[in-house]
Amino acid sequence: AQKVTQAQTEISVVEKEDVTLDCVYETRDTTYYLFWYKQPPSGELVFLIRRNSFDEQNEISGRYSWNFQKSTSSFNFTITASQVVDSAVYFCALSEGDNYGQNFVFGPGTRLSVLP
Amino acid sequence: NAGVTQTPKFQVLKTGQSMTLQCAQDMNHEYMSWYRQDPGMGLRLIHYSVGAGITDQGEVPNGYNVSRSTTEDFPLRLLSAAPSQTSVYFCASSYTQGANQQYFGPGTRLTVT
Repeated sequence: AQKVTQAQTEISVVEKEDVTLDCVYETRDTTYYLFWYKQPPSGELVFLIRRNSFDEQNEISGRYSWNFQKSTSSFNFTITASQVVDSAVYFCALSEGDNYGQNFVFGPGTRLSVLP
Repeated sequence: NAGVTQTPKFQVLKTGQSMTLQCAQDMNHEYMSWYRQDPGMGLRLIHYSVGAGITDQGEVPNGYNVSRSTTEDFPLRLLSAAPSQTSVYFCASSYTQGANQQYFGPGTRLTVT
């Protein structure tokens, strides 16, 4: 069965620090997709990135970067020079190929607090 | 596009009452789903639909019913509310299951007393 682990329940950093959020996944499929979502205090879920299992290239988007390593089944998310607006709960999610339905599994989330 | 809309935003029910949470999307997405979010547990899938007329159970379906008569709408029914159903409920849609990102509604905060 697929599973997503986010071992860090809560992280606090001071503004301008770099922070990495860990995500470890389990799947038996060779085709799968990994996602990160942000949930700010207002409660909505904001899509950040999608990565498929055949593309291990790391990605950078502004202050955000993602490190995908199939060898360790990890898809970690780094925020560089954190800002107070980055304070949110971040969810990692896994979807297995094109299986019908029960294929989108979320991790428990990491609450990030960025202090001024 | 309004995206995914949910009503109501907040609801308080007494144990045993029934109600329907509404969800609609205007993106012509085939795949729709309902999740509940509880502290420390992420989002858990309740029910999903891969198209009009087709629904199936997710991880935590007990106590909930769904139907999908149109592509746009996917209501979630609580048959007899219980305190264990106190949660935040999110509806989501995507072009297909699996590969595509899901678009989420703003959520419904439900309290059952």
